[in-house]
Amino acid sequence: QQQVKQSPQSLIVQKGGISIINCAYENTAFDYFPWYQQFPGKGPALLIAIRPDVSEKKEGRFTISFNKSAKQFSLHIMDSQPGDSATYFCAASTSTGFQKLVFGTGTRLLVSP
Amino acid sequence: DAGVIQSPRHEVTEMGQEVTLRCKPISGHDYLFWYRQTMMRGLELLIYFNNNVPIDDSGMPEDRFSAKMPNASFSTLKIQPSEPRDSAVYFCASSLGRTSGISDTQYFGPGTRLTVL
Repeated sequence: QQQVKQSPQSLIVQKGGISIINCAYENTAFDYFPWYQQFPGKGPALLIAIRPDVSEKKEGRFTISFNKSAKQFSLHIMDSQPGDSATYFCAASTSTGFQKLVFGTGTRLLVSP
Repeated sequence: DAGVIQSPRHEVTEMGQEVTLRCKPISGHDYLFWYRQTMMRGLELLIYFNNNVPIDDSGMPEDRFSAKMPNASFSTLKIQPSEPRDSAVYFCASSLGRTSGISDTQYFGPGTRLTVL
């Protein structure tokens, strides 16, 4: 019940296209859903995060869509660029979990020029 | 701020040897996390501290692993004895924390790539 399932495992998108990564969870107590971006040789870094009181959050080309009833959330990268090529992790936590994040398995995104 | 600092960046050791990984969190952060990343298991939380006190060590794989945080600016993760299956990238992360318990951004260090031969 603590798992966060992420798909796809890898994704190839052409420059200018839309990248979509999906995550699903079971624990209804989760109330914080961040996405982390990791470049090779670096640690993960927070990209964007959402709480279940909204269904969508947009920051530049990055958008999180959240479906509370389906217990799913997704990351959309609009106008994907080669510089977006990285591994993306979704995660979830509860307020009572005091910052203990449960991470998805990651999606390796390659944006071809 | 320099961010989370980890040392060494790379460590190669032989099976049976003791390995100590070090972490300096961002000044003022109340939480410190140790993660392990492998291709097979992804990113796993090993242990985390709040105000230098271990809160949850349920992710520590076995007794060979131990972690300490003697003060707010330093933590170690020790593996003794090390085994080839411990080969992974180990990340330290810290976060500001809030007394209300609301989750906050975790800032990751660059990681230590450990290879146990």
